[in-house]
Order: sequence, then structure tokens, then C-alpha cells
Amino acid sequence: GNSVTQMEGPVTLSEEAFLTINCTYTATGYPSLFWYVQYPGEGLQLLLKATKADDKGSNKGFEATYRKETTSFHLEKGSVQVSDSAVYFCALSDPPPDKLIFGTGTRLQVFP
Amino acid sequence: NAGVMQNPRHLVRRRGQEARLRCSPMKGHSHVYWYRQLPEEGLKFMVYLQKENIIDESGMPKERFSAEFPKEGPSILRIQQVVRGDSAAYFCASSRTTGTGIEAFFGQGTRLTVV
Repeated sequence: GNSVTQMEGPVTLSEEAFLTINCTYTATGYPSLFWYVQYPGEGLQLLLKATKADDKGSNKGFEATYRKETTSFHLEKGSVQVSDSAVYFCALSDPPPDKLIFGTGTRLQVFP
Repeated sequence: NAGVMQNPRHLVRRRGQEARLRCSPMKGHSHVYWYRQLPEEGLKFMVYLQKENIIDESGMPKERFSAEFPKEGPSILRIQQVVRGDSAAYFCASSRTTGTGIEAFFGQGTRLTVV
């Protein structure tokens, strides 16, 4: 079945460092790909998405490119802030009926 | 425009009791999804419902768990005879429709503790 694999955490960075969180997927067909962020004690918020190959999703300085050839959707940010500390989930939508399938999440800790 | 509302935020039940978790989707949303998050794990899909219909329950345990989304009122996830292994955060999400790239909006979750 369809699945998502994320790099293990936690990822620990100093403020202003470059961030990469790896995500690869297995899917039949052409899923949409998402990154969600979860702050402590909260639900998930959509960070960015891409719906077809070579699309780049971006938001709040974060970017991810849908790479069909490598089945990847790695999350990047050029300069992280302490406020970016959270758990990041990669997900794909499994059509139909478009339920989201999540990776296990990667905890990011940013220190001043 | 209120987001997805889940209640209660925290629920404590003794083993053998019933747990009822409620989810009110965003206004205009007719699709509801339930997910379970175990400590330090990702979210596992449980069930997808539209008004009065269960569309996909492939992630629901076969016993003790049930879900409904009536014509009026919130969606309910019901867990009968809870056991310690049911302790988790349960998240509800809603969407306006389905289709490529449709965004699902999540509630803040209900944290169930079974003692």
C-alpha cells in the first residue's frame, strides 16, 4: 500500500542554520504531497503542498519540491528560527477518497 | 469562522468505561476524518465519513470502535470498554470536498487517558 517515510528525529539546529527534513513516499498513481506542522499541544496545520511532479510548495520560508523520479518531497528552509521548533509531518493523499497518509513525524528543535 | 472543534480536549476514563469524542467540522465542510496519534508516533488513519455515511473505515479496529456523522450535529468517535492501549491523542479533520490537493483542517485533538 501507499506509505510515507521520514527521517528520524530529533533534528537539533542553531538559529539561522539550514534545515532539511527528508521525506520519501511509495504510491501507485499520482498522489498529492503535503507537509504539516504540529506545535506542542496543538493539532496539525498545513505548511505547504504540491499536487503534481516538479511542483514546488512554499510557505513561511519553507520549500519542498515534488520529485517523481526519486519519489521524494524533502522539506527545506534556509534559516530556521526558534519559533520553528515543532514536529513536521510529511503526508500524501491517497485518491480516492483522498485520505491523508502520514509519516511518523520529525521533531525539530532550534536553539538560540 | 471557527475551525474544527473537538471536545473534550482531555478525557480520562477507567478501564472498561466508554469514551465518546466529538468533532464539529468547519462550516460548510461535509467530509470528516479521524486519526489516532500514539506517543512519539505519526498519525494513523482510522475512518472517513460523509454526512450519514461511512466511506472508508479501513483503519478502525474491528471491535469496540465505532464512528458516526449524523445529518445534524457533530461527528462522534465512540470507544467501548476502553483499555490502556487506547490511550492516545485522537484528531479530527474536515474538508469541504475531496479531490487532488484538497486541504484538510485539523482540530486540536482529544487526549484520552485510560487509567
